[in-house]
Amino acid sequence: DIQLTQSPSSLSASVGDRVTITCRASQGISNSLAWLQQKPGKAPKSLIFGSSRLQSGVPSKFSGSGSGTDFTLTISSLQPEDFATYYCLQYNTYPFTFGPGTTVGIK
Amino acid sequence: EVQLVESGGGLGQPGGSLRLSCAASGFIFSKYSMNWARQAPGKGLEWISYISSSGATKYYADSVKGRFTVSRDNAKNSLYLQMDSLRAVDTAIYFCANSGFDFWGQGTLVTVSS
Repeated sequence: DIQLTQSPSSLSASVGDRVTITCRASQGISNSLAWLQQKPGKAPKSLIFGSSRLQSGVPSKFSGSGSGTDFTLTISSLQPEDFATYYCLQYNTYPFTFGPGTTVGIK
Repeated sequence: EVQLVESGGGLGQPGGSLRLSCAASGFIFSKYSMNWARQAPGKGLEWISYISSSGATKYYADSVKGRFTVSRDNAKNSLYLQMDSLRAVDTAIYFCANSGFDFWGQGTLVTVSS
């Protein structure tokens, strides 16, 4: 199975900060990686698919990059509504796998 | 508007069974593969099953293989998860999601306890 690791596991940031989260796959997954946001008590929401393609309706402050084994999610200017947990997901090979999550908290 | 609505969760006995449903609307259900994922209390997300648009191809996580069965009824725009031989570790919120994980249901809580 393909393992995904995320770093950091949590971070504290201020409104307006630029935030970068990384996701590393245990083997190459091409660009078959998505990023999801989850707020407490809510279902996950897809932000990015295909490593860098923004889902419809997702603001452009979110961006993704990477291919193969190393991926990043960047939030260019953190806003109050962005405090949440972020998961990467690989859908290149079954079983699909999620990263352990990165919780973005308020500094 | 795309909607996925799960139902069928509740309290299940260890060794018992539950059947979850996911009602789809707002898109041509029969053209899309679907997935089930779950989230144990306070934990991360876990993918558990995939079914192709026709229902002919199915995949499962090792944690549920041989105990859970995914199926669909395209005439009813519905996805199902038959959960047998339930264990305490199956306690989680269960979500259905479309093929690209673009859309998710709100989830249904399954609690396995005696």
